[in-house]
Amino acid sequence: AQSVTQLDSQVPVFEEAPVELRCNYSSSVSVYLFWYVQYPNQGLQLLLKYLSGSTLVESINGFEAEFNKSQTSFHLRKPSVHISDTAEYFCAVRMVGTGANNLFFGTGTRLTVIP
Amino acid sequence: NAGVMQNPRHLVRRRGQEARLRCSPMKGHSHVYWYRQLPEEGLKFMVYLQKENIIDESGMPKERFSAEFPKEGPSILRIQQVVRGDSAAYFCASSLSTDEAFFGQGTRLTVV
Repeated sequence: AQSVTQLDSQVPVFEEAPVELRCNYSSSVSVYLFWYVQYPNQGLQLLLKYLSGSTLVESINGFEAEFNKSQTSFHLRKPSVHISDTAEYFCAVRMVGTGANNLFFGTGTRLTVIP
Repeated sequence: NAGVMQNPRHLVRRRGQEARLRCSPMKGHSHVYWYRQLPEEGLKFMVYLQKENIIDESGMPKERFSAEFPKEGPSILRIQQVVRGDSAAYFCASSLSTDEAFFGQGTRLTVV
């Protein structure tokens, strides 16, 4: 089975400062990796995903995540955060070749951007 | 194209009552998934359905919980004789195939 650890439950950061949200996973087989974001009063939205190829993946709003197989990590970063980035962020893994019924989520990190 | 619609957004039930959570998938999607998020925990898979069929219910509690996805109408997650421990956020997701799933806003169930 797979598991996901998000060590930081809350991350406060000042506007325009950089941020890193940590995600480590455990799996004995190859996995796909995902970051989901949940804005206040909204559903989960896929932010970015790693399936194969380049280990660095980017989202349209400036976030990026790097798959590090040796460290089993998929940390999410943004060089300069905006107030609108305030949300809860969930890291998830899925075994290669399986569907959405095999998503394993972390406990989430609440990012609060301070003006 | 409307996203995955869940209703109600908030539901309060007394212990022993029944809770019915509805999920309308995105247009054209025939795969539906239900996930539950207990307080201070990540989302956990409950059940996966395709039209009229349960494909995977490995995450469903053995008693009091059931799910359906009829040929017409939304998917329903039913919890009978609710207890305080059922208080959680219940998320529905849908997909066109077994690839990327799109999530709804969730239903927050509170059992008093």
